[in-house]
Amino acid sequence: AQSVTQLGSHVSVSEGALVLLRCNYSSSVPPYLFWYVQYPNQGLQLLLKYTTGATLVKGINGFEAEFKKSETSFHLTKPSAHMSDAAEYFCAVSPFYSSASKIIFGSGTRLSIRP
Amino acid sequence: GAGVSQSPSNKVTEKGKDVELRCDPISGHTALYWYRQSLGQGLEFLIYFQGNSAPDKSGLPSDRFSAERTGGSVSTLTIQRTQQEDSAVYLCASSFRQGDEQYFGPGTRLTVT
Repeated sequence: AQSVTQLGSHVSVSEGALVLLRCNYSSSVPPYLFWYVQYPNQGLQLLLKYTTGATLVKGINGFEAEFKKSETSFHLTKPSAHMSDAAEYFCAVSPFYSSASKIIFGSGTRLSIRP
Repeated sequence: GAGVSQSPSNKVTEKGKDVELRCDPISGHTALYWYRQSLGQGLEFLIYFQGNSAPDKSGLPSDRFSAERTGGSVSTLTIQRTQQEDSAVYLCASSFRQGDEQYFGPGTRLTVT
């Protein structure tokens, strides 16, 4: 069984500050991990994903995430926040080999950027 | 290529009426998902189709909700006897295979008056 926990339903940072959105997962098998972003009144779009290999994954818009198996975490970071980063961010997990299970999404974190 | 499309983009209906929401996935994608997103909330999984396998209906909130996927492509989500609590954005997503990243449509905003 899998689950995803996003710590903090709302995160606010100043423009130019570090963005850190936390995601912890539970999976009995090696996972695929994803971050999606949802801008206001739009559907979700993939920000980045981890499948296998390099544990530091770079995505679009300067975001990156690091898979830490020992901590069961996949936190999303960006060194310098921009106003356009204001959106809802969802972490998701799926078992990479199983056709029986579906992707599980976290409850989301709303990121606000202060001028 | 074309992404996932959904129609209509907006639907306003009276309580008690039936509605049909349509999803056109990306060509060649074998997996198709329906989610519901209420105002300011996360994603609520509804139903999932994978190839010719029986769909996973575990997320459907009541027997008023049903979905089908014809020919392994287009999917229709039907809500019978709509209630005000059904008001939400209904999102469809597809992926090449189960477990791969999902590509989302823009959603259908359903308002039940």
